[in-house]
Amino acid sequence: DVKVTQSSRYLVKRTGEKVFLECVQDMDHENMFWYRQDPGLGLRLIYFSYDVKMKEKGDIPEGYSVSREKKERFSLILESASTNQTSMYLCASSPGTGKVDTQYFGPGTRLTVL
Amino acid sequence: AQSVTQLDSQVPVFEEAPVELRCNYSSSVSVYLFWYVQYPNQGLQLLLKYLSGSTLVESINGFEAEFNKSQTSFHLRKPSVHISDTAEYFCAVKHGSGNTGKLIFGQGTTLQVKP
Repeated sequence: DVKVTQSSRYLVKRTGEKVFLECVQDMDHENMFWYRQDPGLGLRLIYFSYDVKMKEKGDIPEGYSVSREKKERFSLILESASTNQTSMYLCASSPGTGKVDTQYFGPGTRLTVL
Repeated sequence: AQSVTQLDSQVPVFEEAPVELRCNYSSSVSVYLFWYVQYPNQGLQLLLKYLSGSTLVESINGFEAEFNKSQTSFHLRKPSVHISDTAEYFCAVKHGSGNTGKLIFGQGTTLQVKP
C-alpha cells in the first residue's frame, strides 16, 4: 500500500513564526502536492512538484514556499505565519506515469496560528 | 476554466435509506472525474473514478456514480447507507490536458447517517 506521512497531526504556532510542514511518501512517486482544506471551500492547491527540485504554483501560493530536495520528501514552508493560514494542510502524491493518476493523501496537519 | 460544484454542503439521511450526492462540472477538455471520501480525522481516499468506457462506475463498498455528459454531472449514489458511510465526500475533475496529475476539487458534501 502507498503510504504518505505528514510530520505532525496538530501544530500550534505564533504569528510571524517560520513553519515547516513535512511530507514523505514511500512509493517512488514523481508528483507531490500540498493542499489546504477549509470548510465550504474544499481543497485548494498551494504548490505541486513533478520532479526533484521542480515545483509549480497552484491556485493559492501566496505566503507559502516549498522544497523538494529528495524524491520522497516535499516540504511546505510558511515564511511568516499569519492567522489566516490557520487551516488543515493535506499532502498527496501520485505516480506521474499516466495521463490520469490517482492521488494518495496523508492524514493531514491541522495548523493553528495564534 | 474548469470547475466542480457540489450542490449540497450537508446531506443528513437515516441508516438504510438511499442517498445521492450531487456533483456538476465544467470542462472544455476530455473529462476524467473522481470521487474521494474523507472519514473523520483521516486523509482523503479514492472512492471511484471515471476515465472512459462505461458511464456507470462502482466502488467496492456499494457506491456508484454515473457520468452524464449532456448534464455535465457525476452524481454519487448508494441504495442503502450505513452508519460507517458518515464522512465528507469530494468530487474532483482532472485539471487540463497535460500529465501533471493535478485535480480540481469541489467544496465537499458531508454525509451524516443517522441511526
